[in-house]
Amino acid sequence: AQSVAQPEDQVNVAEGNPLTVKCTYSVSGNPYLFWYVQYPNRGLQFLLKYITGDNLVKGSYGFEAEFNKSQTSFHLKKPSALVSDSALYFCAVRDGVRGKLQFGAGTQVVVTP
Amino acid sequence: DGGITQSPKYLFRKEGQNVTLSCEQNLNHDAMYWYRQDPGQGLRLIYYSQIVNDFQKGDIAEGYSVSREKKESFPLTVTSAQKNPTAFYLCASSLEGVAGYTFGSGTRLTIV
Repeated sequence: AQSVAQPEDQVNVAEGNPLTVKCTYSVSGNPYLFWYVQYPNRGLQFLLKYITGDNLVKGSYGFEAEFNKSQTSFHLKKPSALVSDSALYFCAVRDGVRGKLQFGAGTQVVVTP
Repeated sequence: DGGITQSPKYLFRKEGQNVTLSCEQNLNHDAMYWYRQDPGQGLRLIYYSQIVNDFQKGDIAEGYSVSREKKESFPLTVTSAQKNPTAFYLCASSLEGVAGYTFGSGTRLTIV
């Protein structure tokens, strides 16, 4: 069975500071990992994914994520947060190429001016 | 442009009425999904379909029904049996393989 955990309900950061949103996963095979962002009353938007290859994945809006197999983590990062990054962030995992995505509970990011 | 369209964006219904939420995609995706999201909460899977004329229950299927008569369409009916239907409903689609999901913009259903 696959599972994904986002240990923080909310992350608060000042504008201009680094932003990290944590995600850990559990799969039996090779993980396919995704990050999505949701703004209020909107659908989820794709940010980035890890399938294979370089452990550091770069995505939209200046976000990146680092795949760490030994720690089974896929933390989302941004070097300098913007107020407009305030949103709900979801990590998701798929165990191999087939099957459904398993979503984490989401982490609310609040960036203060 | 290819995408996934949910309509309407806002929907109000009286208690005890069935209501159908529309989801259409022109991405040629095989699989489609319906999720429910409550305020400040994560996503809960209602139903999913991996191929036309076939669908499976998700984690919270009670009080909901779906059909998949066409590849492009996956409507969700919220029946009067659903005890607390007021929520934000999200539809998604995907191809098998390495791609993730493409989400619609959601329908906010309010029972008055």
